[in-house]
Amino acid sequence: QVQLVQSGAEVKKPGDSVKVSCVASGYTFTSYVTHWVRQAPGQRLEWMGWINGVNGNTKYSQKFQGRVTITRDTSATTAYMELRSLRSEDTAVYYCARSLQADYWGQGTLVTVSS
Amino acid sequence: DIVMTQTPLSSPVTLGQPASISCRSSQSLVHSDGNTYLSWLQQRPGQPPRLLIYKISNRISGVPDRFTGSGAGTDFTLKISRVEAEDVGVYYCMQATQSPVTFGGGTKVEIK
Repeated sequence: QVQLVQSGAEVKKPGDSVKVSCVASGYTFTSYVTHWVRQAPGQRLEWMGWINGVNGNTKYSQKFQGRVTITRDTSATTAYMELRSLRSEDTAVYYCARSLQADYWGQGTLVTVSS
Repeated sequence: DIVMTQTPLSSPVTLGQPASISCRSSQSLVHSDGNTYLSWLQQRPGQPPRLLIYKISNRISGVPDRFTGSGAGTDFTLKISRVEAEDVGVYYCMQATQSPVTFGGGTKVEIK
């Protein structure tokens, strides 16, 4: 069955970087887009960007442009999201999701940014 | 960016009664390929979102038929014909027609 398993919770200091992984299984990883979406406490879902499974092309939200990088390792069927220059407002649960319609989601990774 | 506006913010419903959620987009969600990439997601407390309906009205396998999506252009609706206890959570509309992907603010469905 389709599964997206994300890396564990992280605690970071302002100015640090974080890299979250999303291991995909149960489907052909390179056939689908992988989104990264975050949800700050009590807030709506916020799209950060995606990576095209076919060619590895990426698209980012303007809000995160320059601070986020989404990559993939096709041999490991894993997508990664790195966010740099962290600030307290980046405290959120980060999710990966498969396909344009976001039909399967990872369990979420809590990233806490605190001095 | 396309702004997605959901109403109501909260919907207290009696078990067995219907519920309806509206989602309005600031621009048409019809893609140049002819599809409308409007989805509905359910997020139960403490869980990740779960896709219920995609392209306006297509239910994902395993989603009960009491969930129905409808609409066109800029106006969309999710209806739950008879609310059950397991339907409690926050519902989001999402558009993937145009980058950036955007979400509605969420509608909390709770039992009266």
